[in-house]
Amino acid sequence: GAGVSQSPRYKVAKRGQDVALRCDPISGHVSLFWYQQALGQGPEFLTYFQNEAQLDKSGLPSDRFFAERPEGSVSTLKIQRTQQEDSAVYLCASSLAGVGRIYGYTFGSGTRLTVV
Amino acid sequence: QQQVKQSPQSLIVQKGGISIINCAYENTAFDYFPWYQQFPGKGPALLIAIRPDVSEKKEGRFTISFNKSAKQFSLHIMDSQPGDSATYFCAASKPGGYQKVTFGTGTKLQVIP
Repeated sequence: GAGVSQSPRYKVAKRGQDVALRCDPISGHVSLFWYQQALGQGPEFLTYFQNEAQLDKSGLPSDRFFAERPEGSVSTLKIQRTQQEDSAVYLCASSLAGVGRIYGYTFGSGTRLTVV
Repeated sequence: QQQVKQSPQSLIVQKGGISIINCAYENTAFDYFPWYQQFPGKGPALLIAIRPDVSEKKEGRFTISFNKSAKQFSLHIMDSQPGDSATYFCAASKPGGYQKVTFGTGTKLQVIP
């Protein structure tokens, strides 16, 4: 597709429920990032993939958060046993290898997760 | 730990006026400073960026001013238009590694006719 596609756009989860958020990056984009954006805040880094390899997961807030990109294209961010503090917009961004910070990453529109 | 501090949190400017957003950073390892623009319901998009060896960069109505010694940089939007109404994030990144971007907290700009 022409852009980064994220689904679902909105997700309401009951506290304790597991959720899976999907990101379809631009075809051929090697680098893929997940960011968490709380209401009224800037995006905060969660994790980074280069192809299928997860090279940096230092931003994942707890072991309830898990991300994968098994074939180097589509990525899934999974949150187990959701808590209210997990409510945020989850953004996915992709770029060609090595040039993202120069030419900018292409962000998806995000998934807004609300935990009730 | 807020690595990139941004102010003001919100800004109202009249059409045709100048919008100014300020940012400061602590980590001298940062060597690339982009600004992102985000419209409601959309992801951020790169607007303009600067390296610290340049004191100013201009692209159309958007100008970044950079003060390396003070570790501060700012975005100026000249002749602000209602279509500029959005949230603006300053950001910073380090060389090498995975090139992740560290964002500021954002400034919500409203340009009124």
